[in-house]
Amino acid sequence: DAKTTQPPSMDCAEGRAANLPCNHSTISGNEYVYWYRQIHSQGPQYIIHGLKNNETNEMASLIITEDRKSSTLILPHATLRDTAVYYCIVRVSFGNEKLTFGTGTRLTIIP
Amino acid sequence: DTGVSQDPRHKITKRGQNVTFRCDPISEHNRLYWYRQTLGQGPEFLTYFQNEAQLEKSRLLSDRFSAERPKGSFSTLEIQRTEQGDSAMYLCASSHTPGPGSNQPQHFGDGTRLSIL
Repeated sequence: DAKTTQPPSMDCAEGRAANLPCNHSTISGNEYVYWYRQIHSQGPQYIIHGLKNNETNEMASLIITEDRKSSTLILPHATLRDTAVYYCIVRVSFGNEKLTFGTGTRLTIIP
Repeated sequence: DTGVSQDPRHKITKRGQNVTFRCDPISEHNRLYWYRQTLGQGPEFLTYFQNEAQLEKSRLLSDRFSAERPKGSFSTLEIQRTEQGDSAMYLCASSHTPGPGSNQPQHFGDGTRLSIL
């Protein structure tokens, strides 16, 4: 699976949009971008995933650049409960079932 | 949606003892995964099952570790002769994957935290 690079930490004001970047410059054509988050003492929570089109669900939006070498997770109106470690993961569509987590971005929402 | 359930949530044991953890996946999820997470690191893959068949094992899964999913529903992870380095959070995840190329996400439980004295 392609390696991902994320900033170790970010702050965002409550109520503002949180934009979390991820670089995956070695991504292959059959690899998806997944985002998970982990709140302290809980298991990782699935947020969203995409291949090349932008995706949106009730939790977040995923913007993938046209060359697919980077992506941004957007939490439109951050709340204190969004404070967590966010993981960007690249995973092939089949043949490799594991998720390879890095160290993620620790997002802190400031009141 | 009852989610992935893991039991116990916490386990403290002495070095050299055997421990067993249980994972109940989301109903009708055919794939079940085990991961291990140490402090400050992301989860690391250990093994996964499709129904009752164990299809992949990480080299992290030493011969002291064994996982089973006998009826394709719940799974157990056993660690024999525990060592200090086994202290970690053990996470279980499940997914419904109808076939090759399916990109259904894995859903995680809240883990079992193991502490070796």
